[in-house]
Amino acid sequence: RKEVEQDPGPFNVPEGATVAFNCTYSNSASQSFFWYRQDCRKEPKLLMSVYSSGNEDGRFTAQLNRASQYISLLIRDSKLSDSATYLCVVNRNPAGANNLFFGTGTRLTVIP
Amino acid sequence: EAGVTQSPTHLIKTRGQQATLRCSPISGHTSVYWYQQALGLGLQFLLWYDEGEERNRGNFPPRFSGRQFPNYSSELNVNALELEDSALYLCASPNHSLFANEKLFFGSGTQLSVL
Repeated sequence: RKEVEQDPGPFNVPEGATVAFNCTYSNSASQSFFWYRQDCRKEPKLLMSVYSSGNEDGRFTAQLNRASQYISLLIRDSKLSDSATYLCVVNRNPAGANNLFFGTGTRLTVIP
Repeated sequence: EAGVTQSPTHLIKTRGQQATLRCSPISGHTSVYWYQQALGLGLQFLLWYDEGEERNRGNFPPRFSGRQFPNYSSELNVNALELEDSALYLCASPNHSLFANEKLFFGSGTQLSVL
């Protein structure tokens, strides 16, 4: 079983729509969680961390469900500029590259 | 503060050749992570360097190797190139943390094409 699994999509949504992505992780010892955004053929960039209590940054809301071992990203009022691939990243102790696990990404296309 | 820099942006090689990719982490960061991202696939961990030493490597053959210099910049070398080595190679500079809460800052990558 993969450490991190994501629905690859693509999700094609109209402007202004609300869209949600889920990501599941297999190891209950996972400590911290992130969403990264990657534009086509570009490098990933940190979108937001995911905290146990859930957190919001403008139109973006991230949530963590430790019991079910998944994290989610909700995008409200989608913009054309939100079109990208969203990567789920899970981090285990101790810190280090070998304890960082990436999902394959969920592709979002926002349509005019 | 300068970000992570990678060079070259693009690299075209033929099968059997050798490729050298370079990365400079964010100033003050001592670790460098290398990843391979083949088209349509997720990031695959290649190598981790910290303080000049290789700390860990992913599940890649020995022809993938590298080093880290005293100024913390790093090189990734790929020998005996194969067609399936064609990918985007990303270097990341983590905000060093003792705990599992690392945020990664990526370079813009090197697109390696093997013909």
